[in-house]
Amino acid sequence: DTAVSQTPKYLVTQMGNDKSIKCEQNLGHDTMYWYKQDSKKFLKIMFSYNNKELIINETVPNRFSPKSPDKAHLNLHINSLELGDSAVYFCASSQGQGYDYGYTFGSGTRLTVV
Amino acid sequence: GESVGLHLPTLSVQEGDNSIINCAYSNSASDYFIWYKQESGKGPQFIIDIRSNMDKRQGQRVTVLLNKTVKHLSLQIAATQPGDSAVYFCAENRSTGFQKLVFGTGTRLLVSP
Repeated sequence: DTAVSQTPKYLVTQMGNDKSIKCEQNLGHDTMYWYKQDSKKFLKIMFSYNNKELIINETVPNRFSPKSPDKAHLNLHINSLELGDSAVYFCASSQGQGYDYGYTFGSGTRLTVV
Repeated sequence: GESVGLHLPTLSVQEGDNSIINCAYSNSASDYFIWYKQESGKGPQFIIDIRSNMDKRQGQRVTVLLNKTVKHLSLQIAATQPGDSAVYFCAENRSTGFQKLVFGTGTRLLVSP
């Protein structure tokens, strides 16, 4: 069983389209995250949810809208896709807040906007 | 500002050598640090962590050193193997408000047989 699973693994779409990426974790963790990794491999946090509540929003354009239907799921919807949105998006989860609450990452969704 | 940076973007070693990957962080309030390994096409994988009240922690073939005076973190890999080839990230955990990980820019480790 994959601990943090994301779908799809690859996504190629045209500018202006709307797309969603889904994430599920079966670890029983309370907190989930979305990270973006750019072409230079730099990883930056976008959002964090704790028990379905948004707790971190790192000045991400409002075209990006996360949704957490329950604490095991965190989806990312992107409206009006732009070329600059091309990146690898990683979902992660952690047990909660504090030390040793190790983060577990999914295998990523490579989004290519053409 | 927020930055966790690395001195060397690429490190090439021979199989069997010891590898040292360095990281400088800027936020003295960070209380917990983690090293991740990322292989091609995969997500970051936890290697080892260290709390800010420690200066050294050892795992299997890996050691993390923390020098808070100069805000420096290093990952030592003993007897490096070809399977260790990957991009390595240091990350600092900031617990002011809500916890989040801030990643460094990454170092690519290339191990030649």
